[in-house]
Amino acid sequence: AQSVTQLGSHVSVSEGALVLLRCNYSSSVPPYLFWYVQYPNQGLQLLLKYTSAATLVKGINGFEAEFKKSETSFHLTKPSAHMSDAAEYFCAVSDGSGGYNKLIFGAGTRLAVHP
Amino acid sequence: DGGITQSPKYLFRKEGQNVTLSCEQNLNHDAMYWYRQDPGQGLRLIYYSQIVNDFQKGDIAEGYSVSREKKESFPLTVTSAQKNPTAFYLCASTGARGSPLHFGNGTRLTVT
Repeated sequence: AQSVTQLGSHVSVSEGALVLLRCNYSSSVPPYLFWYVQYPNQGLQLLLKYTSAATLVKGINGFEAEFKKSETSFHLTKPSAHMSDAAEYFCAVSDGSGGYNKLIFGAGTRLAVHP
Repeated sequence: DGGITQSPKYLFRKEGQNVTLSCEQNLNHDAMYWYRQDPGQGLRLIYYSQIVNDFQKGDIAEGYSVSREKKESFPLTVTSAQKNPTAFYLCASTGARGSPLHFGNGTRLTVT
């Protein structure tokens, strides 16, 4: 069975500092992996996705994530945090079975950015 | 612009009443999903549908029902059997295997 673990329900960084949000997954087959961002009272917006091409994936808003099969990880990073990055971030995994995606989500990490 | 429309954004109901949440998409996607979001628990899958007139239970289907009579529409009914219905409900769709889900802006349901 697939599962996703996001380490740290809350992360706080200073503006301009490195952002690192951790995600570990479990999947019996090569997975599809996604990072989403959610602002208050809104839906989820796709940041980036891994679908077995390059292991380093670049997304929107300066975020990127690296797929490491040996560590079953897909951590999200951004070199320099901006105040507008404050939001909740979700990692999700799918094995693509059954024809379409049935995404399994992590519990989320709330990112706070302070001046 | 293509997208997913959920309505209403806020919904209030008395305990014991059924309530239906609307989800419409104009992305021509085959698959649609309903997720429930509670603080600190991420998103949990309620129901999903890969084709018109067919749908499957997700992880927390008890107390919910859906229909898929049209490709564009996937309404969710929260019945009185749902023990704890107050939550944020998100509808999503996708068009192909391995493709990301597109989400609506959600409906916040409060039952008192």
